[in-house]
This record gives sequence, structure tokens and C-alpha cells, in this order.
Amino acid sequence: GAVVSQHPSWVICKSGTSVKIECRSLDFQATTMFWYRQFPKQSLMLMATSNEGSKATYEQGVEKDKFLINHASLTLSTLTVTSAHPEDSSFYICSAIQGALVNTEAFFGQGTRLTVV
Amino acid sequence: GESVGLHLPTLSVQEGDNSIINCAYSNSASDYFIWYKQESGKGPQFIIDIRSNMDKRQGQRVTVLLNKTVKHLSLQIAATQPGDSAVYFCAENTGGNAGGTSYGKLTFGQGTILTVHP
Repeated sequence: GAVVSQHPSWVICKSGTSVKIECRSLDFQATTMFWYRQFPKQSLMLMATSNEGSKATYEQGVEKDKFLINHASLTLSTLTVTSAHPEDSSFYICSAIQGALVNTEAFFGQGTRLTVV
Repeated sequence: GESVGLHLPTLSVQEGDNSIINCAYSNSASDYFIWYKQESGKGPQFIIDIRSNMDKRQGQRVTVLLNKTVKHLSLQIAATQPGDSAVYFCAENTGGNAGGTSYGKLTFGQGTILTVHP
């Protein structure tokens, strides 16, 4: 099956610094990528939808200036958490789809554990 | 907004038993549903999906049932094994919109923790 890889798998950063997380589709071109956040013992919550070559669409309540998303190519999307604070500590997960068909299966990355100290 | 929810947050079963995990959804426009398995520290793993024009779909040891009348989805795991222990999420996809940006956009349920005892 299609493979989506995230890097890094985990990261620890100091409060006030920025952290970049990469999401790559390794064997297919992803027209659209999605970023989710998951707090401990909770479900995945969609943060934003990232389309190659255009601005990301953010879900209500997600600060676009804090969570910068760039989708510069069909195989790479990045999420940058700017001025991170301890409350941003979470598990960040991306997914990618190959085409623009309704009901296209989404392939998930392995997630990135962010800890802000 | 509308969301997908689960009835049972935890489920414990003995190895070899059948497991049933339930999910209620509220968006009648949802046309595609997926069950995911998530192990600790990992991303969701696709298990099985079903489209709204179906009421049952079977895979290897798993069956998904969809009841659109009561907006209910279930995942049945036959002969549950210790390796099935994980958190299981249902998710719904409402399909595309005029901007074409919601394909693959999923709303997840709260999750059910399945524990299988040897």
C-alpha cells in the first residue's frame, strides 16, 4: 500500500521556539494532505487541509499564524508550530490522498510526538 | 458541527471471543465510513471501509455493519487475538464540496480501547 512518512517521529523543544514537522508521500503523489492533532487518550482532530500549490484551509479554532502549513510539492507538506508553548504538546499526524475522488482512502503517517518544555 | 461518537470507551474480551465495537454518527450526509486501528504511539491503520450504499462489508476476520436508519456503525472482529488490542476509531467522510478540498477529510469518533486477554 501507499506509504506516508513523517519526520521527526518525536521532538522536544523549548517554549517559544518553532518546530517543523514534515509529511512525505513516498510512493505516490498526494494532491491533498491533512494535518491532525491528538491529545492523550483523545481522538484525532482535524487541524487543516493542505493542497499542493495553494493556501491551506484551517478548521475553526485553529490559528493559521501559529500552525504554518506549506505544501510546496506533491510529495511534501510541512507543519511548523511557531512560538510553541507547553499546551501545544501533542501527537501530530498527517494523512495524504492520491486523487480527488470522493471516498478516496487516506493514508496516515506514523505521527510526530511534540513535547514543549 | 456534527460529529461521530462511540457508545463504549473500553472493551475487554478473552482471546478467541468475538468483539463488537459500536459507533454512532450524526451527519446524515456522510457517504463513506472507515474503521481504523491505532496502536500506542503510532498513526491510524486502515481496517475496513464501507460506502453508504451498502449495509455490510466483510474483510479478513472483520465485518462492518452500517445502519443508516439509526445512523449506527459497528465493527465486528472474529476470534479476537491479543494483537488486536488497540484503540479503534470510526471515521466519516462527507465527501467533496464545491471547492474540492474535503476529499479524504475525516471526522473521527472518540475511540474505543480494546483489550484482549490471553
